Amino acid sequence: EAGVAQSPRYKIIEKRQSVAFWCNPISGHATLYWYQQILGQGPKLLIQFQNNGVVDDSQLPKDRFSAERLKGVDSTLKIQPAKLEDSAVYLCASSSLETPTYEQYFGPGTRLTVT
Amino acid sequence: RKEVEQDPGPFNVPEGATVAFNCTYSNSASQSFFWYRQDCRKEPKLLMSVYSSGNEDGRFTAQLNRASQYISLLIRDSKLSDSATYLCVVNFGSQGNLIFGKGTKLSVKP
Repeated sequence: EAGVAQSPRYKIIEKRQSVAFWCNPISGHATLYWYQQILGQGPKLLIQFQNNGVVDDSQLPKDRFSAERLKGVDSTLKIQPAKLEDSAVYLCASSSLETPTYEQYFGPGTRLTVT
Repeated sequence: RKEVEQDPGPFNVPEGATVAFNCTYSNSASQSFFWYRQDCRKEPKLLMSVYSSGNEDGRFTAQLNRASQYISLLIRDSKLSDSATYLCVVNFGSQGNLIFGKGTKLSVKP
């Protein structure tokens, strides 16, 4: 079974530029999550989708971050404009409605460096 | 007070040692508890769930004390391959959002 796919794996941008990340969850997984993991910290949830609807985006900095999952499958996360403090690994995870929500499967992440 | 607190380590232990990690959580309404493992520059992966009665998976034993809001992970007979960061994770709320601790880094030396 293919895992969660993310691209790009690495991205370097200058502050005030914009960037987009893509995620394709495990086939059949209805729930998709985006996490931000800053170096030395645990992942922090940014947004959770169930199918194409937003379940929780309370920790998403909406002035600069946006995410969508239009067809209920793959998803994009965008940052515009980026700040230095956005440097982090952006992890996408997915889970099935048929298993406990804690069984989240993570993708390899996108490592973002903002200079 | 942070929601999930862990000793960041690092814990440097020899092969074969027994090592224990502790974690405390602040939200008494928390419903489920887990340990995830994260290898260097890799994604987190579920290691095991933590049940009130305690549970064991091979060399790994997890314990939960709801009264003290405390979770532990014990690793016996440490292997070099156990070297990783261990993330304490708490789930509360109807949507099942996971709250991660900062992680405890373990380094097992030959």
